[in-house]
Amino acid sequence: QLQLQESGPGLVKPSETLSLTCTVSGGSISSSSPYWGWIRQPPGEGLEWIGTIYYSGGTYYKPSLKSRVTISVDTSRNQFSLKLSSVAAADTAVYYCARPAADSSGYYGSFDIWGQGTLVTVSS
Amino acid sequence: EIVMTQSAATLSVSPGERATLSCRASQSVSSHLAWYQQKPDQAPRLLIYGASTRATGIPARFSGSGSGTEFTLTISSLQSEDFAVYYCHQYNNWPWTFGQGTKVEIK
Repeated sequence: QLQLQESGPGLVKPSETLSLTCTVSGGSISSSSPYWGWIRQPPGEGLEWIGTIYYSGGTYYKPSLKSRVTISVDTSRNQFSLKLSSVAAADTAVYYCARPAADSSGYYGSFDIWGQGTLVTVSS
Repeated sequence: EIVMTQSAATLSVSPGERATLSCRASQSVSSHLAWYQQKPDQAPRLLIYGASTRATGIPARFSGSGSGTEFTLTISSLQSEDFAVYYCHQYNNWPWTFGQGTKVEIK
């Protein structure tokens, strides 16, 4: 079955760029879904949607993060990635990659498959 | 941005009782609403999508209802494994947004 796994540094310095990769296994990223997404969760807090990418490259981002976020897909490696620039302590969180699935009408959005999450701490 | 409000931060329920969780959207999201369950140190698990469709493998004691701006997740008879945090999520409009979560705890 399809599985997602996040990878990347667990510690990032303030003002630097956070870079994470989500590796899709058990299926092709191209055929498993046209959409892929990132969500984060600060320690002890709720879930925050960061952004979603469409297979053709179209991206949708949380407005408050839009100036700092880039999500991309590498179909040759079966991966998609997140970059968040100019990080600060408030960006400390568990970062999840996830697959938005389609409902019976073909409308995509609910996240049915999640990675285990990776904690990224922003600290000098 | 659509704001999702879960009316209760915490719900205290006894095992075997019914739990009713509410989620309100600041504008209509049609039926494009999902519910997730999250236990400590675990990724969220999809319970309900399309406001009322159970995801694969989800027990029948979980049910969702509503459309437009008012939604409900009902757990008909709480089992020990159901004590967790529950989030609603709208995907009708960009940006997608989550509610702040409702913790269901043992009474």
